[in-house]
Amino acid sequence: AQKITQTQPGMFVQEKEAVTLDCTYDTSDPSYGLFWYKQPSSGEMIFLIYQGSYDQQNATEGRYSLNFQKARKSANLVISASQLGDSAMYFCAMREGLSNQFYFGTGTSLTVIP
Amino acid sequence: ETGVTQTPRHLVMGMTNKKSLKCEQHLGHNAMYWYKQSAKKPLELMFVYNFKEQTENNSVPSRFSPECPNSSHLFLHLHTLQPEDSALYLCASSQQTGGKAGELFFGEGSRLTVL
Repeated sequence: AQKITQTQPGMFVQEKEAVTLDCTYDTSDPSYGLFWYKQPSSGEMIFLIYQGSYDQQNATEGRYSLNFQKARKSANLVISASQLGDSAMYFCAMREGLSNQFYFGTGTSLTVIP
Repeated sequence: ETGVTQTPRHLVMGMTNKKSLKCEQHLGHNAMYWYKQSAKKPLELMFVYNFKEQTENNSVPSRFSPECPNSSHLFLHLHTLQPEDSALYLCASSQQTGGKAGELFFGEGSRLTVL
C-alpha cells in the first residue's frame, strides 16, 4: 500500500484565494512526522511545514497551515491568500520514528491564476 | 555558500560513459541522501549515509555507486546507464534527530539525460 497518497495531480486557484492540497498517509507507527515541500521549476525542494503525530495543535507557518486529522490519517496543506509565486509542485512526505526513510507522495501541481 | 549544493546541474551522457554527481552540504548535518525523481512518480530513495556509513540501499542497480568520503560530501558515480535512468537526482541532508529538526534539506538537483 502507498504510504503517502496525493490524489490531486493538478490544482488551479485564483490569486488571493485559499487552496487546500490533499494528503493521506498510512502507518502503524504511533510516532511519525508529516512534512510538506514545495518544488518550483528550478528543481529545489523547499520545506514548508511540519506536523508531528503527537502535536495537539495544527501547524501553521505564515500563509501555510496544516489541517491534521489524525483519525482520518490526513494532513492537508492550506495555502491562504495565494500568490503567483506559489505556482509549483507540492509534495507531502512522512517519516516514521527516527527512520531515515522519508516517504513521498506523487505531488500536486498548483497553478495560481492572476 | 549555504545549504546543499549539487553539481553539475545538467548532465547528458551516453550509455557507455562514466560520470559522477557531486553533493556538498554546509549545514553540519550527519545524514546525506540520494533521491531519484522521475515524472509522475514519488521520489525514490536510493542511498542514505549516516556519519559516512551507508545505512540504506533501496535495491539500486550496481550501475549507480555512491561514495561518502566525509559527512559533508556525497558522490553518485554513474556507469553504463540506461535511458530509463534519465531523471532528476536530488541530494538531501538532515540532522539525525526527530521532529521538525529532522527535516530534509535538498539541493537543486542534477538533471541527467542518458542517450
